[in-house]
Amino acid sequence: QQQVKQSPQSLIVQKGGISIINCAYENTAFDYFPWYQQFPGKGPALLIAIRPDVSEKKEGRFTISFNKSAKQFSLHIMDSQPGDSATYFCAASMGSATNKLIFGTGTLLAVQP
Amino acid sequence: NAGVTQTPKFRVLKTGQSMTLLCAQDMNHEYMYWYRQDPGMGLRLIHYSVGEGTTAKGEVPDGYNVSRLKKQNFLLGLESAAPSQTSVYFCASSLRLQGTYGYTFGSGTRLTVV
Repeated sequence: QQQVKQSPQSLIVQKGGISIINCAYENTAFDYFPWYQQFPGKGPALLIAIRPDVSEKKEGRFTISFNKSAKQFSLHIMDSQPGDSATYFCAASMGSATNKLIFGTGTLLAVQP
Repeated sequence: NAGVTQTPKFRVLKTGQSMTLLCAQDMNHEYMYWYRQDPGMGLRLIHYSVGEGTTAKGEVPDGYNVSRLKKQNFLLGLESAAPSQTSVYFCASSLRLQGTYGYTFGSGTRLTVV
């Protein structure tokens, strides 16, 4: 199963709050899990990525939590800011033979001031 | 350093017309990809290439063709456009070892087929 299921479809958070976006996958051959951020009218840009040999990765206010046994991973945005308002995509790929990414359906995040 | 450049940015086609979308990257990336983005469906892979002269089908290849005659360019062709191909098309490139850098995306081509 190649799908990556992402939820919620949209999210509204108050400034300073925590934004949490969840993804689930079926294919245990996936070995690379990135999150991309997309602003209106722009292409997606890599935000943060994790491999399954670690359970958490933190870069500034952004953290990926990874649960290999549950085949789930999530993005946490701490101290959410209006500038974080964007669409977020989780993705997964396996191996470096093609680097093909399978993307989730996206989450539209709105951070209210 | 321009990164990934897509042309054109916008296009309106009539059903049955053909067109070619051009993607150019100046980062010497080995791999290149074409995705389409539709509301509620995320990004879906159309075709990809792992090197000059090679192409392969992705999730949704029907109605599209591609060519990669030069390492830096990846062309997406629509031979006979259909309204179902109305979408935003993104080109991306990556190093073979994706690692820290991931994909570099272009800014997209918004295509409307009427």
